[in-house]
Order: sequence, then structure tokens, then C-alpha cells
Amino acid sequence: EVQLVESGGDLVQPGGSLRLSCAASGFTFSTYWMHWVRHAPGKGLVWVSRINPHGSDTDLADSVKGRFTISRDNARNTIYLQMSSLRAEDTAVYYCARGPCCGRTTGSFDIWGQGTMVIVSS
Amino acid sequence: DIVMTQSPDSLAVSLGERATINCKSSQSVLNRSSNKNCLAWYQQKPGQPPKLLIYWASTRESGVPDRFSGSGSGTDFTLTISSLQAEDVAVYYCQQYYNSPPEYTFGQGTKLEIK
Repeated sequence: EVQLVESGGDLVQPGGSLRLSCAASGFTFSTYWMHWVRHAPGKGLVWVSRINPHGSDTDLADSVKGRFTISRDNARNTIYLQMSSLRAEDTAVYYCARGPCCGRTTGSFDIWGQGTMVIVSS
Repeated sequence: DIVMTQSPDSLAVSLGERATINCKSSQSVLNRSSNKNCLAWYQQKPGQPPKLLIYWASTRESGVPDRFSGSGSGTDFTLTISSLQAEDVAVYYCQQYYNSPPEYTFGQGTKLEIK
């Protein structure tokens, strides 16, 4: 079964750090672009970051540039989101999602994890 | 920046009737080299992650019932549910995946309920 499982969400104080993980199974992980998308309470979906299959090319939304870093370990079939200098507005459910594969760059997100909750509050 | 605007924000439709959700992008999301519109539709039910319904504006994802269809090109797109079922109650989002550097902008969502 194709599956993504996020972990690492927690309650953290403003200015703090957190690392989220997303473990993949059921597909050839190393051939897919992977993404993080967040969903703040009462708000819409917002794309956060993406990483190419090899981990050599990454992009971040402007709202998290300089604070978040995306990475992946293809040997462990896992992507990570390192978050620092967290703000109240980063409070959200964070989803990992699967993008295109096999040399394609452009595409929708066909598989999503269940999400992990990050709460930034004092 | 590409802004995606959905209409309406909420919609109540009777069971068995047609539901139509619109999505407008602030600039064209047609990739001229591939002649494909970089537009997807997702369904999100409470407590669940989004589920891909439609990609390239009109291609139905595997396993999605054929009552769901997508249409449009350039800047104007539509998601149609031909005969509303109770399990279709959800929030629906459009998303563009056109531009570079990437934004993957989502619409604000349309809440679909049963009348």
C-alpha cells in the first residue's frame, strides 16, 4: 500500500525549533518529488516546500524562507522539515505529499499523509 | 504571484442534483509547451487529508467516481459533480502548479453541503 506517515508535531514556544518527518512506503521513493503543505486552523491549504528526487534541488515558500529547511534520506524513504524561529502563524497541520516522478517536474500531489500538528504558543 | 479565487465560498445542493464550483486564476496556467493546464482539484473531508480528484484540469484521478469532472482552460476552471451524493460533503480546493519559482497556490476552498 502506498503510504506517507508524518511525525514530529508538537507544542513549541515562539522562537523554538522542531523537526518533522515523513516516512514513505509502497512506492519507489527515490524517483518522486516530495512536498510539505500546511493547513492552519480555519484557513486554506498553503504549500510550504518541495524537494527533488535526489535531494539536490529544494524550494521554500517566501513565508518560511530562512527559517525552514527541507531534506530527504532516500535510504530511509523519509523526508524532513527542519523548522526554526517558529512563530504563532506557523501553527498548522503539516502534510507531506507526493509530487511527480520519473523526470517530470510539474505535477499535482497524488498521495498525502494524515498530517502532524504543530502548535506554536507560549 | 498567481492568485486562485474560488466561487462560491459555500454551496448547498440537494442530493442527486448538480454541483458546480468555479476557480479563477490571476494569470493563465496553460503550459504552452505541453498544451496542458496546470490545475488540480482536491477534496478534503473533516479530519482527513486532501484527496486528489482531477489533474491537468480535466483528467480524473484513478478511483475517483465519474460523477466528478473538471473543465476549463487558461484562467477559468470548473469542477462539476453531476449527481451529488451524501459522501461528497467536503471542502473542495483548486490548485495551480504552473509557475516557477513554484508557489503551488491553492484557492480558498468551497464548502459543499447538502440542502
